[in-house]
Amino acid sequence: GNSVTQMEGPVTLSEEAFLTINCTYTATGYPSLFWYVQYPGEGLQLLLKATKADDKGSNKGFEATYRKETTSFHLEKGSVQVSDSAVYFCALGYSSASKIIFGSGTRLSIRP
Amino acid sequence: SAVISQKPSRDICQRGTSLTIQCQVDSQVTMMFWYRQQPGQSLTLIATANQGSEATYESGFVIDKFPISRPNLTFSTLTVSNMSPEDSSIYLCSVLGGLAGDEQFFGPGTRLTVL
Repeated sequence: GNSVTQMEGPVTLSEEAFLTINCTYTATGYPSLFWYVQYPGEGLQLLLKATKADDKGSNKGFEATYRKETTSFHLEKGSVQVSDSAVYFCALGYSSASKIIFGSGTRLSIRP
Repeated sequence: SAVISQKPSRDICQRGTSLTIQCQVDSQVTMMFWYRQQPGQSLTLIATANQGSEATYESGFVIDKFPISRPNLTFSTLTVSNMSPEDSSIYLCSVLGGLAGDEQFFGPGTRLTVL
């Protein structure tokens, strides 16, 4: 079946450090891939998405590239800020179906 | 994107009681979804609610425990029945949207604590 595996947390970095959160998936066909973010005390927000192989999603300085050959969608940011502290969820879904499958989430903490 | 509100935002309940959570969307949507997020865990889909038909429940979730109503295209309720401490979670509703119809937009969640 379809599944998403992401890097276990928590991840703690200093401000301005480079961030990578790994995400790999198992899926049939051609899913869309997503990163969602959950800031403390808030609901989930879509951070970025990619709908086909080699697409790059980007938002707020974050990027992720849909790599079909490695079935990966790693999240990266060149210089993190304290305000990026949150839980990040990798997910996959299909436009033809309703269900989105989430990874386990990675808690990110940024030290000033 | 859809704007989704939930009530209550949080509650503390006694074991054996029931709580009904409301979800309101600012536009008409065909499907609404209810998720559970247990402490420190990822999201688990409870059920999909379509207007005018019975909700479709995921494995491990049953209608007697989590009855759902969907009276119109902008509103749904989830009831957590006969609660136990294991039901302490954040409950989120969501809807599909976006240009491709494959993005989910989430409400702010209802934080439930069962004593």
